[in-house]
Amino acid sequence: KNQVEQSPQSLIILEGKNCTLQCNYTVSPFSNLRWYKQDTGRGPVSLTIMTFSENTKSNGRYTATLDADTKQSSLHITASQLSDSASYICVVSANFGNEKLTFGTGTRLTIIP
Amino acid sequence: GAVVSQHPSWVICKSGTSVKIECRSLDFQATTMFWYRQFPKQSLMLMATSNEGSKATYEQGVEKDKFLINHASLTLSTLTVTSAHPEDSSFYICSASGGWEQYFGPGTRLTVT
Repeated sequence: KNQVEQSPQSLIILEGKNCTLQCNYTVSPFSNLRWYKQDTGRGPVSLTIMTFSENTKSNGRYTATLDADTKQSSLHITASQLSDSASYICVVSANFGNEKLTFGTGTRLTIIP
Repeated sequence: GAVVSQHPSWVICKSGTSVKIECRSLDFQATTMFWYRQFPKQSLMLMATSNEGSKATYEQGVEKDKFLINHASLTLSTLTVTSAHPEDSSFYICSASGGWEQYFGPGTRLTVT
């Protein structure tokens, strides 16, 4: 069964600090892995998309890594800001085209001043 | 980037009535649209996949007669919740795909009283 697990479930850090969120998956055959940011009451917004050949991808203060061998990914947030408070969802796709996505349950990140 | 809109953003209806939610791709043609629902503190759950001009494919456990999906054009899909009940109260999110990537709408909060 295709699964995506994220840790931690929730995280609270001080503004300005860095943090790393983890994602483990068992989706096969792997096509791509995505990280989304979802603000409360809003739809998910794409941060990064990585195929199996990509080890790292950055989007501003967000850097995602992918290890296709161990089926692990991480999302590193640098110099956190209050606006980074949101849920971060790891999503894995098994096929190219209009495929179904397997969603992780998300990490709820709270930045405190 | 690709933009997907939803209307309304929130709706309150009485038990037993029907409510329609629209999903539009504003700057691209979406051959496939997806409908998700999300309960508090949970991840997105795929309800159905619709291709323009054909019947929607529903996920197991989703009542197709209760959640009517119409994908009449390459830029518009609608979800109608028929005979709504309080347990249908949820956050409904659509996504649209013109290729291999899905773009998510901002979501619609449905409250059934």
